[in-house]
Amino acid sequence: EPEVTQTPSHQVTQMGQEVILRCVPISNHLYFYWYRQILGQKVEFLVSFYNNEISEKSEIFDDQFSVERPDGSNFTLKIRSTKLEDSAMYFCARTRTGGNTEAFFGQGTRLTVV
Amino acid sequence: EDQVTQSPEALRLQEGESSSLNCSYTVSGLRGLFWYRQDPGKGPEFLFTLYSAGEEKEKERLKATLTKKESFLHITAPKPEDSATYLCAVLNTGGFKTIFGAGTRLFVKA
Repeated sequence: EPEVTQTPSHQVTQMGQEVILRCVPISNHLYFYWYRQILGQKVEFLVSFYNNEISEKSEIFDDQFSVERPDGSNFTLKIRSTKLEDSAMYFCARTRTGGNTEAFFGQGTRLTVV
Repeated sequence: EDQVTQSPEALRLQEGESSSLNCSYTVSGLRGLFWYRQDPGKGPEFLFTLYSAGEEKEKERLKATLTKKESFLHITAPKPEDSATYLCAVLNTGGFKTIFGAGTRLFVKA
């Protein structure tokens, strides 16, 4: 049973369109993260989210990106106006405490921008 | 700037042929060093966390060790099912941003 469930598994979108990627943690933890992995490249940190607030974000996470936990369960990543270079696998993760314990990753959403 | 460098990029082993993967890191203050396994098209799967130099952890055929500058993942008598990409990552004391290395792709042939 996965620790984190992500939907959709694959999304194709046109350049300039908005996309919302969703993550549902199985257990009731407070620390959540989004990472991305461009094909053949490193896993890159995007943002960490704790107690319904962003706790840290990387330089990749610009104004085009936003995160929220609208209903206390789902954790979403929104990209407002997608670019070709946003094509990647996006992973949601959770940790029991603030980052210094193991992270449990979802299976990822493959985003393809055409 | 925090950095993680893994070597080799790829490693091909025969079943039963033990070897080691290297992770060199530079971090202002180490809060934790992590090893993950990643299968194609899947999310990283946690293996180990190491916190301080001299620490060692084991799980089945895998053993992770840590010094002040690098970590090793030793694989003893690997099997074909150990074939995967092994990722090393570090977290510094300053925040929540985990830095990943590019990984070592391990191929184990029967």
